[in-house]
Amino acid sequence: QLQLQESGPGLVKPSETLSLTCTVSGGSISSSSYYWGWIRQPPGKGLEWIGSIYYSGSTYYNPSLKSRVTISVDTSKNQFSLKLSSVTAADTAVYYCVDLWGMDVWGQGTTVTVSS
Amino acid sequence: DIVMTQTPLSSPVTLGQPASISCRSSQSLVHSDGNTYLSWLQQRPGQPPRLLIYKISNRFSGVPDRFSGSGAGTDFTLKISRVEAEDVGVYYCMQATHLYTFGQGTKLEIK
Repeated sequence: QLQLQESGPGLVKPSETLSLTCTVSGGSISSSSYYWGWIRQPPGKGLEWIGSIYYSGSTYYNPSLKSRVTISVDTSKNQFSLKLSSVTAADTAVYYCVDLWGMDVWGQGTTVTVSS
Repeated sequence: DIVMTQTPLSSPVTLGQPASISCRSSQSLVHSDGNTYLSWLQQRPGQPPRLLIYKISNRFSGVPDRFSGSGAGTDFTLKISRVEAEDVGVYYCMQATHLYTFGQGTKLEIK
């Protein structure tokens, strides 16, 4: 059974880079059966797709975040990661990693606060 | 960018009564492959979202049959035939035809 778990710093300073990792268990990061993505949710607000990556390495990003986002895969660790640069308080959110093919497997979410 | 607009944003419902949420997209969600990638998700307090309905009207495994989805093109609806206490939460429509976009969310609460 596929499971996802986010990890990374809970506090990031403004202008720095937010880095999160999603560890995949119960499935291979390289499988064509999955489509990996990141979604975030600011406190008390709705959901926002950040970006996604296919097993082939092809990436797609939200146009509103594209200039600041990088998503990559580490096959040796069965993980995929998110980097969001030049963060501001508006990037404070719960960040979820998701299998976007089915939308039925989500990580529990990790809270990231941007503050000095 | 596709904009997804949900109505209402809040829905107080009596237990056992039906509920309905509307979702409208700013452009057609029919994909070039013929499918319409419109899903509905439920988010209970403190939980990640949970998939309820995919491709307009397909209930995901384990979802009670009191949940149903309908619609076409740009107009879609989620209906709950008889609301139960466990249905409290926020409901989102989501399109995956042109990248991914979510509606603002509809908060379902019990009167």
